[in-house]
Amino acid sequence: DTEVTQTPKHLVMGMTNKKSLKCEQHMGHRAMYWYKQKAKKPPELMFVYSYEKLSINESVPSRFSPECPNSSLLNLHLHALQPEDSALYLCASSPLGSGEKLFFGSGTQLSVL
Amino acid sequence: QQQVKQSPQSLIVQKGGISIINCAYENTAFDYFPWYQQFPGKGPALLIAIRPDVSEKKEGRFTISFNKSAKQFSLHIMDSQPGDSATYFCAASKSYSGYSTLTFGKGTMLLVSP
Repeated sequence: DTEVTQTPKHLVMGMTNKKSLKCEQHMGHRAMYWYKQKAKKPPELMFVYSYEKLSINESVPSRFSPECPNSSLLNLHLHALQPEDSALYLCASSPLGSGEKLFFGSGTQLSVL
Repeated sequence: QQQVKQSPQSLIVQKGGISIINCAYENTAFDYFPWYQQFPGKGPALLIAIRPDVSEKKEGRFTISFNKSAKQFSLHIMDSQPGDSATYFCAASKSYSGYSTLTFGKGTMLLVSP
């Protein structure tokens, strides 16, 4: 299995909703990442988890809350989002000793109304 | 401050032609330079990558040329095909203990005309 699986593929939510994005990989990678990508822009790093511990938070607003329950799963909890948070949210993972080879999922296309 | 500059922003190439995308970086701490290919509605996929101690790497129709002294690198796609039409991102990676961070260029939209 060489895939990073993200669910759901599409999500529409209101500004008062609470939702979660899920990411799963079974490649044994111990580093997992959340990126945000706006249309026609490059991905921007949000969070990095290494060995299930948060290593980087790129000054992301607290309405985004990451969670890494185990080495295969990564969640992103969303609460009180703004319309400008609408974007493609990408999960990635990388193996140890080769951290530069990031494998991306297909993403969750999020629309905030 | 944009740490990785990518050009051109868009590129149209005839089928069978050569596509060339250029990138330049500033931070000498970067230790790995990957290229990603992204189709609409999909996540970026690693295409080819190079380390700064290598001047060229070729995989099939894709070649990276790397000039460490000039802090520049480029992607050449030989015999470009319509299926190569996608957005290409160069990136520069910095490794830490257990993970790495990628700094992306702004991307190049490639269209290969039949």
